[in-house]
Amino acid sequence: SAVISQKPSRDICQRGTSLTIQCQVDSQVTMMFWYRQQPGQSLTLIATANQGSEATYESGFVIDKFPISRPNLTFSTLTVSNMSPEDSSIYLCSAERGNTIYFGEGSWLTVV
Amino acid sequence: SQQGEEDPQALSIQEGENATMNCSYKTSINNLQWYRQNSGRGLVHLILIRSNEREKHSGRLRVTLDTSKKSSSLLITASRAADTASYFCATATGGGNKLTFGTGTQLKVEL
Repeated sequence: SAVISQKPSRDICQRGTSLTIQCQVDSQVTMMFWYRQQPGQSLTLIATANQGSEATYESGFVIDKFPISRPNLTFSTLTVSNMSPEDSSIYLCSAERGNTIYFGEGSWLTVV
Repeated sequence: SQQGEEDPQALSIQEGENATMNCSYKTSINNLQWYRQNSGRGLVHLILIRSNEREKHSGRLRVTLDTSKKSSSLLITASRAADTASYFCATATGGGNKLTFGTGTQLKVEL
């Protein structure tokens, strides 16, 4: 398995501000992913983050709103920019190991 | 649209009973994975079943896969109150391992 740590676990943010979520994996992984889970909903993939290249965003998500960094094989960040109440969600980091996708505990953001 | 649809959306059973959740998907898959999510927390990986497999077991969990019907089921035997959670299926397609999640089943196991 893989141990994935996310920070912050929870935060309350003012609209118009930005917040960066950090994700640390216990060992090197090639592929990392960021998902969003809106209240009462299932998970939706935001982007795939590979080390050494720009993140690949899914339809409906753009780099200006969700910039992602992947400086090395164990770490990634997701920034939620210019937040609005619609961005209130759980943001989950995940990593692939042996075809299995493991998830962090998530970062629960509430925008007020 | 969501790749997977799960039913039931919600399931309430008594402790000791079995719980069955079903997942249907739309396109060919590489594998299908089941996850558990306790309220407001991260996802815990339960089982991965590959497209060439039909059944897998892990403890009290049994997963089946029918690629001809594009469906999977998760059976939890002898359920416990601690099994109360949301359960999601997720499919991996194409050359990568991007997951598309189902709508989820909320399971409540009552004492």
